Amino acid sequence: DAGITQSPRHKVTETGTPVTLRCHQTENHRYMYWYRQDPGHGLRLIHYSYGVKDTDKGEVSDGYSVSRSKTEDFLLTLESATSSQTSVYFCAISEPGRYQPQHFGDGTRLSIL
Amino acid sequence: GIQVEQSPPDLILQEGANSTLRCNFSDSVNNLQWFHQNPWGQLINLFYIPSGTKQNGRLSATTVATERYSLLYISSSQTTDSGVYFCAVGESGTASKLTFGTGTRLQVTL
Repeated sequence: DAGITQSPRHKVTETGTPVTLRCHQTENHRYMYWYRQDPGHGLRLIHYSYGVKDTDKGEVSDGYSVSRSKTEDFLLTLESATSSQTSVYFCAISEPGRYQPQHFGDGTRLSIL
Repeated sequence: GIQVEQSPPDLILQEGANSTLRCNFSDSVNNLQWFHQNPWGQLINLFYIPSGTKQNGRLSATTVATERYSLLYISSSQTTDSGVYFCAVGESGTASKLTFGTGTRLQVTL
């Protein structure tokens, strides 16, 4: 199993509060990703990082920010959570280039009331 | 952006049966991966297969890039094969950014 740890695993919070999710990897992979999974949508890319302090937007980036100050950590922040951000969030890692599969963490279930 | 369609959306099999899952995509890709999400929600990478055929035990996959589809074959299915199977593709030039299909939910019964 790829060494990917997401924290917290579950969180319930209220609308308008800030929330930060953490993804920690021990594989020293250069690329890291945040996805959200919602019924009927599969997984959708929120943001990704291709190196320390190098990040870019994905398909559904509005309302989210990310930071990567170390190779091993990739943080996802909801500055002011809304009920539409209730979802299961997955972190993934990969190496760049062809023939490099993505490996996923176990997910964080986030409920915003 | 690229569109990914998976079929069938749901599939129920008896243990021991074989199945074929299909993934169609709307544009050229440099990256195609198959994943299994088990009933506990964990996502497992099954294949990285932008073209050609690969096999891993009872599972095999074939991608025909020129015709924009991929097939995942499951032979002699077991109850542990239950879950959702996702196809995900990356377009040329942005190959690391994956677009997922909505999945095929497989239930294998005794």
